[in-house]
Amino acid sequence: NAGVMQNPRHLVRRRGQEARLRCSPMKGHSHVYWYRQLPEEGLKFMVYLQKENIIDESGMPKERFSAEFPKEGPSILRIQQVVRGDSAAYFCASSTDRVDTQYFGPGTRLTVL
Amino acid sequence: DQQVKQNSPSLSVQEGRISILNCDYTNSMFDYFLWYKKYPAEGPTFLISISSIKDKNEDGRFTVFLNKSAKHLSLHIVPSQPGDSAVYFCAARTNFGNEKLTFGTGTRLTIIP
Repeated sequence: NAGVMQNPRHLVRRRGQEARLRCSPMKGHSHVYWYRQLPEEGLKFMVYLQKENIIDESGMPKERFSAEFPKEGPSILRIQQVVRGDSAAYFCASSTDRVDTQYFGPGTRLTVL
Repeated sequence: DQQVKQNSPSLSVQEGRISILNCDYTNSMFDYFLWYKKYPAEGPTFLISISSIKDKNEDGRFTVFLNKSAKHLSLHIVPSQPGDSAVYFCAARTNFGNEKLTFGTGTRLTIIP
């Protein structure tokens, strides 16, 4: 049973470009969470999605960031007009239901030049 | 406001001895706690969890203790092995419709052979 998959593993963008991060949850998991880890910090919650629904986006910046989890395909975290402060590791986690353990993917390391 | 705190950024322990990692929290609404282990350039791996109705949970070499009155939990690893060298994150969650995990800043554990 494959774990949570994220791609790309590394992404380099120039300021002002768009970053698109993908997450495929574990088989049988319909709940997806995105977290961000800045250097030397813990992981910070961004958004929680179920298929076609955003359940909680309280941790996501109001501007430039969006997330989706379509009926078919991976969950996408999209960052428009990236700035240097967006450089971080972005982790996706999935679970079978809202109280189940969250299992994490390997992360996407975004570097903004 | 750091609701989950890991006050020791690093810890070194001799192989074969006990490793004790500590975590404090301030939010009295937290009622489920987890420990994750993270290697460099990888995602967090779930280790063990504990519900607030318990004060101890054991899984092999790993035991988590919860002291609700002190808002403190600890992870004991015994005996410590070189492969245990990693960053350990404590995480907490409430259990009434709020699925997001709140993480501590992590403790880097180094096992000395």
